[in-house]
Order: sequence, then structure tokens, then C-alpha cells
Amino acid sequence: ETGVTQSPTHLIKTRGQQVTLRCSSQSGHNTVSWYQQALGQGPQFIFQYYREEENGRGNFPPRFSGLQFPNYSSELNVNALELDDSALYLCASSSLAGGPKTQYFGPGTRLLVL
Amino acid sequence: KQEVTQIPAALSVPEGENLVLNCSFTDSAIYNLQWFRQDPGKGLTSLLLIQSSQREQTSGRLNASLDKSSGRSTLYIAASQPGDSATYLCAVRAWKRPHNAGNMLTFGGGTRLMVKP
Repeated sequence: ETGVTQSPTHLIKTRGQQVTLRCSSQSGHNTVSWYQQALGQGPQFIFQYYREEENGRGNFPPRFSGLQFPNYSSELNVNALELDDSALYLCASSSLAGGPKTQYFGPGTRLLVL
Repeated sequence: KQEVTQIPAALSVPEGENLVLNCSFTDSAIYNLQWFRQDPGKGLTSLLLIQSSQREQTSGRLNASLDKSSGRSTLYIAASQPGDSATYLCAVRAWKRPHNAGNMLTFGGGTRLMVKP
């Protein structure tokens, strides 16, 4: 059983650019969630994908968007980057079969916007 | 809107002490509560998950309790070790129907624990 993986591990962008972050879910998991964690704070929910459709969204603007693929891997896209987007981005996978289960988190992608 | 608070924000103890980390939440209509550990710059490792119908869960030296009516959970760490040094986060999942309507976790700000040798 493989764990949740994310790529890249670190990324530096400039304000106004666009970025794509990737996540591979744990084997057998059909749900992926994305979180943003600013330095010194707890993670904040961005959105969740279940069976390739967004089915939950936190308080983030539309320039944060995502995709989930048939193999349950996922992408987080952020357009028009702002300095405040600098954070650790975490993805988490889980299975909803039989009800929500433990979420398993990846190691995260550290994004720095200059 | 669910709000989760963790106290204290930071804690430093000598090795061997038993300690308690606190988590409170404002909306008692939760599905479950989860405790995580996070090492600096790393992802989250799940420690314990308590379903809303449960009162406590135990794993090794860790014991987590849940009092839904008062909106509180505690994480008890017995005989602390330097390797326990990390940030501990609690997170709640709201009750939603159907179950696939969202698996959003609301996190507290965490407690940074330092265990000194």
C-alpha cells in the first residue's frame, strides 16, 4: 500500500504567475482534499474532490481550482499568485466507503511567492 | 461556523512528564475528531480518530478523550520523550448527509511541544 505523494516538494514563483501542484492518492482512496497551511497556523480547507467532481469548498477564491483524474490523482491550480499564497499546501486522501474514514496526508508542497 | 481552539499554543516539558493538550470546538454537531502530529516543514501524521459516539481512543502512550456536549477533547501523552517534540493538531469533521457531501476538517492552530532531555 503506497502513501500519499505530492510534487514538487518546493516551488518559488513570482506574483501574478500560475502554479500547478500534484497529488497521488493512497491506493484504494476515492476522495482527495486540499489544504493550505500558512506558517504557524493550522491547515485551512480549500476543496475536496470525490469521483472527479468538486463536492465541498472552503473560503477560497475561484482562482484556486482543481482536478481529480480517473486514477484518483489530483491537481491544485492557483492563478494570479499573490504574496499571501505563500504556504505549505497539503493534500489528503480518504475513502468514503461505509462513511468518512481517517484522512491520510501527503508531505506537502512548500510554495513561496515573491 | 465551526471554530477550533487549542491551548496552550506552546509547551516545554522535561523528559518523562505526563502531559495534556487541550482542544475545544464551538459546534458539537461533529462526525469525528482527529489528532495529528506534524514535524517541522512536514505533512500530518494521524495519531487517533474518535467517532462522535465514542468517549476515548488509546494508542500506546497516547490517549484521546472526547466530550461532545462540552465541545472538548484532550490528548494525554504519558512518559513524554524527546522524540515526541512536534506540533500537535486537532481537527473536527462536521456531521453531513450524505456522507460523500464533504469530508472537510476544521483544524485548530496547534500546540508546539518541546520535550527536553
